[in-house]
Amino acid sequence: DARVTQTPRHKVTEMGQEVTMRCQPILGHNTVFWYRQTMMQGLELLAYFRNRAPLDDSGMPKDRFSAEMPDATLATLKIQPSEPRDSAVYFCASGLVYGLFGANVLTFGAGSRLTVL
Amino acid sequence: RKEVEQDPGPFNVPEGATVAFNCTYSNSASQSFFWYRQDCRKEPKLLMSVYSSGNEDGRFTAQLNRASQYISLLIRDSKLSDSATYLCVVSGNAGNMLTFGGGTRLMVKP
Repeated sequence: DARVTQTPRHKVTEMGQEVTMRCQPILGHNTVFWYRQTMMQGLELLAYFRNRAPLDDSGMPKDRFSAEMPDATLATLKIQPSEPRDSAVYFCASGLVYGLFGANVLTFGAGSRLTVL
Repeated sequence: RKEVEQDPGPFNVPEGATVAFNCTYSNSASQSFFWYRQDCRKEPKLLMSVYSSGNEDGRFTAQLNRASQYISLLIRDSKLSDSATYLCVVSGNAGNMLTFGGGTRLMVKP
C-alpha cells in the first residue's frame, strides 16, 4: 500500500531549539496538508499545498512556523524557536484533488510526536 | 462556535449494540463530507464518504441532512474492534480544505 512517510516519529527538544519535521507524500498526490493534534484542540490545519504551491497557511503561527515544499517528494514544517505549547502530534496528509470541489480523500502519515520541554 | 461540532463522548456500548453519532457543521456552502476513524495513538483513516442520498458500507450507515446541516454515522452490531474515535470531516470551504470535528470516542465492551 502506498503510504505517507513522516520523520521523525518522536522528538523531544528543549524550548528555543529548532525543530524540522519532514513528510514524503504519496507519489502522484497533488495536495499536501500539515495538521496539528492536541487533546484540547483536536486536529487543526496548519498549512496546505496544492501542486507544491502554498494555498493556505492561516492556521500557522507565522512568527515561528514555516512550511515549504521544495519538491514533489518532500514537504517540511519547521518551528524556530520551539515553545512548550508546540508540544503536539503533527500529521502530514496527502491527497488527489480535482477541481474546486473535488473529493478530498486524504491519506495521513503516522505523525511526528513533538515534546518541547 | 466551531465549524464542525461533535459530542466527544465517550459512548460506552456492549458488543452487538447499535450506536449513532451526529455531527453538525456551520458552513452551508460545504460540499463534501466524510467520516474518519482514529485509533489510539494512530493516524486518522478514512472510514467512508457521506453522500446526499445516504450510503451504507456493511455495518456502517452514513447520512447527510443539508437543510439541518448535520451528518450522522450509524454502527450496527458493534464489535470490540470498532472502539476508536470517529471524526466528522467537512470540505468545500475555500480551497478544498478539510475541517475536522473534535471526534467522538466509542468504547465497545464485551
